[in-house]
Amino acid sequence: DAGVIQSPRHEVTEMGQEVTLRCKPISGHDYLFWYRQTMMRGLELLIYFNNNVPIDDSGMPEDRFSAKMPNASFSTLKIQPSEPRDSAVYFCASSLAGGETQYFGPGTRLLVL
Amino acid sequence: AQKITQTQPGMFVQEKEAVTLDCTYDTSDPSYGLFWYKQPSSGEMIFLIYQGSYDQQNATEGRYSLNFQKARKSANLVISASQLGDSAMYFCAMREGLSGNTPLVFGKGTRLSVIA
Repeated sequence: DAGVIQSPRHEVTEMGQEVTLRCKPISGHDYLFWYRQTMMRGLELLIYFNNNVPIDDSGMPEDRFSAKMPNASFSTLKIQPSEPRDSAVYFCASSLAGGETQYFGPGTRLLVL
Repeated sequence: AQKITQTQPGMFVQEKEAVTLDCTYDTSDPSYGLFWYKQPSSGEMIFLIYQGSYDQQNATEGRYSLNFQKARKSANLVISASQLGDSAMYFCAMREGLSGNTPLVFGKGTRLSVIA
């Protein structure tokens, strides 16, 4: 079974540009999480979904960030406009409601110049 | 609020030796799950081991074991017979509740270096 898939794996963009990160959760998983990893703040939750519905977006830094899950097999995290401080690794993870473990994708390494 | 503390920023261990990575946690929820993830230099997050708050036995997965001391609120990871490939960042994490439907809170991590 394929794991969590994220694209792109690396993204370099200039300040002010729109960035879209993509995630495909493990088939059948009904929870999807977006985390961000930085040197300063470590790993922190941005937002998570249950059955495509956002449950908690209190970790989303500001209005420049938005996330959607139009169906059970796809989610996007958009940053518009991007800023250098958004440079980080963005992870997507998925899990089953009755399961124990969250499985992480390989991450997207974002660099905003 | 949940909190995870990893007090060892970095650790060194000789190849083939055992090493313990420390983790303490804080929560007011009686039901919770504790996790360890490995992050090698390539960047992916690899699940290693899980311990539920009501589990009587310490979790084990191959060379990994979780030393769960509930009264002390500690969940240390023990790696036996260290290998060079074990060199990586290790993160302790906690989730309130016993199912996969709440977010993880992570510690700052411990960088383990295995020396030949």
